[in-house]
Amino acid sequence: DVKVTQSSRYLVKRTGEKVFLECVQDMDHENMFWYRQDPGLGLRLIYFSYDVKMKEKGDIPEGYSVSREKKERFSLILESASTNQTSMYLCASSPHSSGRSPGELFFGEGSRLTVL
Amino acid sequence: GQNIDQPTEMTATEGAIVQINCTYQTSGFNGLFWYQQHAGEAPTFLSYNVLDGLEEKGRFSSFLSRSKGYSYLLLKELQMKDSASYLCAVHSGYSTLTFGKGTMLLVSP
Repeated sequence: DVKVTQSSRYLVKRTGEKVFLECVQDMDHENMFWYRQDPGLGLRLIYFSYDVKMKEKGDIPEGYSVSREKKERFSLILESASTNQTSMYLCASSPHSSGRSPGELFFGEGSRLTVL
Repeated sequence: GQNIDQPTEMTATEGAIVQINCTYQTSGFNGLFWYQQHAGEAPTFLSYNVLDGLEEKGRFSSFLSRSKGYSYLLLKELQMKDSASYLCAVHSGYSTLTFGKGTMLLVSP
């Protein structure tokens, strides 16, 4: 069964702290993504990666960075957390080609981050 | 630019049929997805349309009209467990999906 695992379901951090959100997939997918989900705004793409050490900005990259040192792992980093980064963060992965449904994303359970 | 619109909320009764609409304006089109998301859980794949027409999968069907930039998700024989958020997403030719804001469906007894 395909699996995307996010390291923490719930985190509480203080303003200014550095925050790491980890995501691991066991499907050998090339593509990995970080979205945030907020009420009334839906899912918005922060960063994505097509391959190891590759990264591309999504729609809202400001205040975030990412790291992809291994194919199965994609990390989201908040260098200095702020209260407006309180959100649900969803990691997803997809293969380069996906047969019947190219582009289909496989999501992790999400990490709910609260910044105080 | 990318614009995907779907209703914010819908309500329906157990056993009924509900249609959730999605309109889109995107710079490219490589397919349209519907995902279901229960509260506190990850979105899960429901359907994919890339050609015009209706795709049926059990109680769920999805329709696409590329010329109109329009899709709908049809849920039949509604059950309480169908209460969830339904996300419309467009694959615009890169590997990324652009999502609408989601439609919260509430099924009442």
